[in-house]
Amino acid sequence: DAGITQSPRHKVTETGTPVTLRCHQTENHRYMYWYRQDPGHGLRLIHYSYGVKDTDKGEVSDGYSVSRSKTEDFLLTLESATSSQTSVYFCAGGQGLDYGYTFGSGTRLTVV
Amino acid sequence: DAKTTQPPSMDCAEGRAANLPCNHSTISGNEYVYWYRQIHSQGPQYIIHGLKNNETNEMASLIITEDRKSSTLILPHATLRDTAVYYCIVRGTQGGSEKLVFGKGTKLTVNP
Repeated sequence: DAGITQSPRHKVTETGTPVTLRCHQTENHRYMYWYRQDPGHGLRLIHYSYGVKDTDKGEVSDGYSVSRSKTEDFLLTLESATSSQTSVYFCAGGQGLDYGYTFGSGTRLTVV
Repeated sequence: DAKTTQPPSMDCAEGRAANLPCNHSTISGNEYVYWYRQIHSQGPQYIIHGLKNNETNEMASLIITEDRKSSTLILPHATLRDTAVYYCIVRGTQGGSEKLVFGKGTKLTVNP
């Protein structure tokens, strides 16, 4: 869906380096989410935001931080990437309970 | 949020209706039932949601039992392109924030 754009689409980085993934939305979504997906684990919630500068932890938040300084952008940062953070990362956005949520196309991150 | 139980896999013949069950026996009064699907490695796609009443849209129908402890997603005429993992999610607001937590879903295979 063009309303949620993730960048980059693919990234290879070295262990110990910082990495920032960007999620950009054009639909004025109030709520935004970051997930990771790994074989055998399905989609796991990392962090989410319920407004500008309002964020909270999900199931697997260790090693990740997020920021949302404006409605359109939700950034996911790996302060010091580890091989266990090799995964596909998905961003999602939505307005609230009575609406469906839109997902981005994903970012494939490989930490070597 | 209430937990959901779905069969890990199902098969359906092309052109026939696919009926995907979901058990959510601990659902509370303010929690919605949502269905998403994920085709191969794409981002999840919103299908439909409901609170108490049955719902229908261009993609599917959602049947929620009167006690709301289970629901069924119906794809009326399944096609090969409906082969995907289908996720049933139950969620509501908690302290003003919203989490969208995925389970393992049902792998639906539509056979020619």
